Amino acid sequence: DAGVIQSPRHEVTEMGQEVTLRCKPISGHNSLFWYRQTMMRGLELLIYFNNNVPIDDSGMPEDRFSAKMPNASFSTLKIQPSEPRDSAVYFCASSFTRDSRGDTQYFGPGTRLTVL
Amino acid sequence: SQQGEEDPQALSIQEGENATMNCSYKTSINNLQWYRQNSGRGLVHLILIRSNEREKHSGRLRVTLDTSKKSSSLLITASRAADTASYFCATGKLGNTPLVFGKGTRLSVIA
Repeated sequence: DAGVIQSPRHEVTEMGQEVTLRCKPISGHNSLFWYRQTMMRGLELLIYFNNNVPIDDSGMPEDRFSAKMPNASFSTLKIQPSEPRDSAVYFCASSFTRDSRGDTQYFGPGTRLTVL
Repeated sequence: SQQGEEDPQALSIQEGENATMNCSYKTSINNLQWYRQNSGRGLVHLILIRSNEREKHSGRLRVTLDTSKKSSSLLITASRAADTASYFCATGKLGNTPLVFGKGTRLSVIA
């Protein structure tokens, strides 16, 4: 299994531009998580999906952030317009969830976003 | 809000020594997990201990869980330079809530 795949691995963009991050979860997993990691705030959960349905997006910083999961094998996190404070490493993780949400998560390699 | 809080924030030891990291949490849990993150990489799951377990081993890793004190410890024995990484605890609860990660302990193992 290739694991969780994220693209791009690095993104440098200018303030005001739209940024789209992509994630392919592990085949057969039914939960997908988007995280943001910075030195100041640590690892923050932005949004998670279960069976392609967004369950909790309370961690999304503001309306500039949106996430979709059109099918079981693909998700996107979009920032529009981007701002310098959005610079961080964005991780996608997936898991197979039965009754408990506290299941082991498998992380992708992350996308390092720099907004100038 | 952060559920798990790791202690210490940073730890530096010599190769061959044991490394102990602690995690405290606030509410009842279903399980507690430890993850490792190498610089510039994603988190990797190390071990999971359920709330009805007290101790678990995996290779050079030993995890303990004390639900009465709401705390866990991760012991890495005979550390190696390759163990240098950040270690995170994460708590899992029953119901519609995901894992909650702490801020991590940065471990440096000096050869």
